[in-house]
Amino acid sequence: LAKTTQPISMDSYEGQEVNITCSHNNIATNDYITWYQQFPSQGPRFIIQGYKTKVTNEVASLFIPADRKSSTLSLPRVSLSDTAVYYCLVGDGDTDKLIFGTGTRLQVFP
Amino acid sequence: DVKVTQSSRYLVKRTGEKVFLECVQDMDHENMFWYRQDPGLGLRLIYFSYDVKMKEKGDIPEGYSVSREKKERFSLILESASTNQTSMYLCASSSGGYDYGYTFGSGTRLTVV
Repeated sequence: LAKTTQPISMDSYEGQEVNITCSHNNIATNDYITWYQQFPSQGPRFIIQGYKTKVTNEVASLFIPADRKSSTLSLPRVSLSDTAVYYCLVGDGDTDKLIFGTGTRLQVFP
Repeated sequence: DVKVTQSSRYLVKRTGEKVFLECVQDMDHENMFWYRQDPGLGLRLIYFSYDVKMKEKGDIPEGYSVSREKKERFSLILESASTNQTSMYLCASSSGGYDYGYTFGSGTRLTVV
């Protein structure tokens, strides 16, 4: 079963760039990598998704190396409202099940 | 705006009660999922469904059942609620395929006393 690990927590200050990495050692060949943001007492919200190389949208960038065994969510110039828990989601290479990462709690300080 | 709607944000039930958690999506998605989320344990898949009247066990199906009679509705049933089922329950849907993009509901925080 894929082991999908993330740092437990990260701290940052407003205006800084934050990079959160997810390690997924056995990702399914055809599956995308998806990242979600979750605020307290709410459901996770889709942020960005990619298959390989780099994807950018209006809120984040996603970097995926050629071996796809990890991915890095990049949040440019974070603000206080980016304080949340961030999860990656990948497909397991053996079972095809989708596996959520362990989640990273990002705290942004003024 | 596309939505996944969970019928209750907060529920308090007694041990032994039969509990129904309802989820409705308006995106015509084939796939629907039920997760529970507990501190330190992350999101754990209970059951999922790829089609009407179809269901598959997830990682922690014990003590739960599901029903999908219509494409837009996926119900989670706790046959006899227990205190260890106190949790946040999250419903999600997706269109399937390899570009999985879940849309989650707001969650139901269930407390069993």
